[in-house]
Amino acid sequence: GQSLEQPSEVTAVEGAIVQINCTYQTSGFYGLSWYQQHDGGAPTFLSYNALDGLEETGRFSSFLSRSDSYGYLLLQELQMKDSASYFCAVHHSGGYQKVTFGTGTKLQVIP
Amino acid sequence: DAGITQSPRHKVTETGTPVTLRCHQTENHRYMYWYRQDPGHGLRLIHYSYGVKDTDKGEVSDGYSVSRSKTEDFLLTLESATSSQTSVYFCAIRGTSGSNEQYFGPGTRLTVT
Repeated sequence: GQSLEQPSEVTAVEGAIVQINCTYQTSGFYGLSWYQQHDGGAPTFLSYNALDGLEETGRFSSFLSRSDSYGYLLLQELQMKDSASYFCAVHHSGGYQKVTFGTGTKLQVIP
Repeated sequence: DAGITQSPRHKVTETGTPVTLRCHQTENHRYMYWYRQDPGHGLRLIHYSYGVKDTDKGEVSDGYSVSRSKTEDFLLTLESATSSQTSVYFCAIRGTSGSNEQYFGPGTRLTVT
């Protein structure tokens, strides 16, 4: 089976940088995705890493180390609107592009 | 906007009744998914489809069935609803061929009393 671990809650100050870690165990690993979900809303896609290294998209970056089964999402220049839950998700070979989600990290940005 | 709608958006039903949730997409995507989201569990895959009449089970499929008779519609049926199926249900589609992104519908909040 698949399992993912990420912190349940993180608090950070507006304008600062925060890193949300994700460790995973899976067979047939393809890649790691990150999603953002505001309260009451639907998850929205942020990033996908298939290869080791850092991918940058504006204020958000995502990192993957396949050898360590580890990834993180880095949010820079935090804004109040970044307060949301963030989910990592592994893509694996358990069928046609199955994706297994972590339980999510609730980020609170404070002034 | 991936053109995904879900209906109904909210439903309250009684234990033992059948319930069908509908997911509709307008962009001819091949892959469609049903998830449920519960506090402390994140998103869990119920069933998915990789084409018309082609479906498979996810990790929490017991008590649920699906059908896909047209590309644009993916139906989730709770054959006999139980209180443990009270949840928020999200439909998702996979982006264009080769994409790893999933786009989610707005969700259906189902309460089983």
